[in-house]
Amino acid sequence: DAGVTQSPTHLIKTRGQQVTLRCSPKSGHDTVSWYQQALGQGPQFIFQYYEEEERQRGNFPDRFSGHQFPNYSSELNVNALLLGDSALYLCASSLSLTGELFFGEGSRLTVL
Amino acid sequence: GESVGLHLPTLSVQEGDNSIINCAYSNSASDYFIWYKQESGKGPQFIIDIRSNMDKRQGQRVTVLLNKTVKHLSLQIAATQPGDSAVYFCAESPATGGGNKLTFGTGTQLKVEL
Repeated sequence: DAGVTQSPTHLIKTRGQQVTLRCSPKSGHDTVSWYQQALGQGPQFIFQYYEEEERQRGNFPDRFSGHQFPNYSSELNVNALLLGDSALYLCASSLSLTGELFFGEGSRLTVL
Repeated sequence: GESVGLHLPTLSVQEGDNSIINCAYSNSASDYFIWYKQESGKGPQFIIDIRSNMDKRQGQRVTVLLNKTVKHLSLQIAATQPGDSAVYFCAESPATGGGNKLTFGTGTQLKVEL
């Protein structure tokens, strides 16, 4: 049973570019949350998707957007990249809103 | 705003000793607390959790203590092993379940010396 899988694992972008990160939830899970983890910091909640809708959102600008597909996989998009967007982006999934949360290994984004 | 913080950024212990990692939280409405372990290059891994109606919960070699009076959470690791070396985060949530936003602290680096 595959856990939460994320792609790509590492990527490098330049300022102003756009990036798309992908997440496949753990088998059977329908709720996906995204977190940003800057180096040396704890993860910060970006947003959560359930039933293909953004259900909750943290304190992140509109440059951060997402999507959830009918198969429950999800994408995180970041536009107009800033140096400060360099971080590990973590995806977490759960079975419905009440299930235990499982994290993926993350996508390491470096913005030059 | 509300936040979860940790007292010590780095903790060094000898192999076989017990480790205690502390965490302070400020949101009195928090109902659910979780400890995560994060090894280098990996995502957070669930260790143990506790509801606000409990003071103590034990797992395998780990114990979480919750003091709601002073808004303090601690993780105790018995007989610390080299494999315990990692960054440990406490997180708080308004309720159990993956549908709830987690607020993480900044983490404590645990180093186990042989």
